[in-house]
Amino acid sequence: QSVLTQPPSVSAAPGQKVTISCSGGRYNIGNHYVAWYQQFPGTAPKLLMYGNDKRPSGVPDRFSGSKFGTSATLDITGLQPGDEADYYCGTWDSSLSAGVFGGGTKVTVL
Amino acid sequence: QVTLKESGPVLVKPTETLTLTCTVSGFSLSNARMGVSWIRQPPGKALEWLAHIFSTDEKSSNRSLRSRLSISRDTSRGQVVLTLAYLDPMDTGTYYCARKMDTDAFYPDWGQGTLVVVSS
Repeated sequence: QSVLTQPPSVSAAPGQKVTISCSGGRYNIGNHYVAWYQQFPGTAPKLLMYGNDKRPSGVPDRFSGSKFGTSATLDITGLQPGDEADYYCGTWDSSLSAGVFGGGTKVTVL
Repeated sequence: QVTLKESGPVLVKPTETLTLTCTVSGFSLSNARMGVSWIRQPPGKALEWLAHIFSTDEKSSNRSLRSRLSISRDTSRGQVVLTLAYLDPMDTGTYYCARKMDTDAFYPDWGQGTLVVVSS
């Protein structure tokens, strides 16, 4: 059971938009920045978003992040077949003094 | 260029102790504010945070595994070591080490991961 809650899967047609939610609590999302990771099968996670809404160099602006209260969202617009992957949110939890992740969301391009 | 590389046994028996090493390059473990975490992923499942060692050598670990888990570092060799005792088949998975700033909540750099299978 992950500390952060994500939907198991989302899907949309190419060119459309998907939104992935990440729900937490006061001591994690409510008190810390959120990051998002993209993971393709058999590979390590890759940082996709940090500081709630900042993209590392090389990440297309089709990816955007936001946070409100104890929840965060990742939007992917102009969905492409190459976006099919698992996406994880993560942050720190100051009550647990530990890193925490969501359960992951599989994005499917129809 | 920052790199992290995990190494250790692929197959271990139940009740044995696992020792994994993360060898880093491109940055120093004695650098102020830079630490390394271990994160694992059972096959087909989600990421699970295990432990972190801060630049100060302070450690933090997953409460559910704390009695079996320890993390340490050798700054001169650029290595962070994870040990996990009393292994169970549920400990099977890919183990990653990842770097982060002590005060940040994100991991910009990850190792490729190492698969560990716990089976008799």
